[in-house]
Amino acid sequence: GAVVSQHPSWVICKSGTSVKIECRSLDFQATTMFWYRQFPKQSLMLMATSNEGSKATYEQGVEKDKFLINHASLTLSTLTVTSAHPEDSSFYICSARVQASSYEQYFGPGTRLTVT
Amino acid sequence: SQELEQSPQSLIVQEGKNLTINCTSSKTLYGLYWYKQKYGEGLIFLMMLQKGGEEKSHEKITAKLDEKKQQSSLHITASQPSHAGIYLCGADSSLGNEKLTFGTGTRLTIIP
Repeated sequence: GAVVSQHPSWVICKSGTSVKIECRSLDFQATTMFWYRQFPKQSLMLMATSNEGSKATYEQGVEKDKFLINHASLTLSTLTVTSAHPEDSSFYICSARVQASSYEQYFGPGTRLTVT
Repeated sequence: SQELEQSPQSLIVQEGKNLTINCTSSKTLYGLYWYKQKYGEGLIFLMMLQKGGEEKSHEKITAKLDEKKQQSSLHITASQPSHAGIYLCGADSSLGNEKLTFGTGTRLTIIP
């Protein structure tokens, strides 16, 4: 099956710094990738839809200036959490849809961000 | 916006027993996905249902879609410790839409 990787798997940063998370589709091209965040014991909440070569579409309530998304190639999307604060600590998961098949969406292993 | 409610929220089952998890949508279902998640890890795709009445099986897991009821069920037969985890249903928010809305999740614990 299609494989999606994320890097790093976990990161600890100080408040006020920025953190970049990478999401890669390893064996397929993904024109669209999605970014989710998940708080402990809660479900996944879609943050934004990342489209290759164009601006990301953010969900209501998600600050686009704080969560910068770049989809520079068909296999890579990045999420940068700018000026991170402790409330940004969460589990961030990306996904990509293999459009050539039956709309299966494959998820990365997630990145746990802790802001101190 | 579409909302998905899963029941039960948590389930503790003795190994070898059968169990069912339900996912009910507040709107029409265009595509229903089932995923499994280990705590702190990514999601593992289990199966996808598109048509009313559709039923799919993989090993000991069977999922059904009741389009009229806007509901899907996930049934595990003869549960094993490896089935433990969080089960999430996800749905396409509209026809042809790629964005998924996820259910509240069901935490499954298997007692040996």
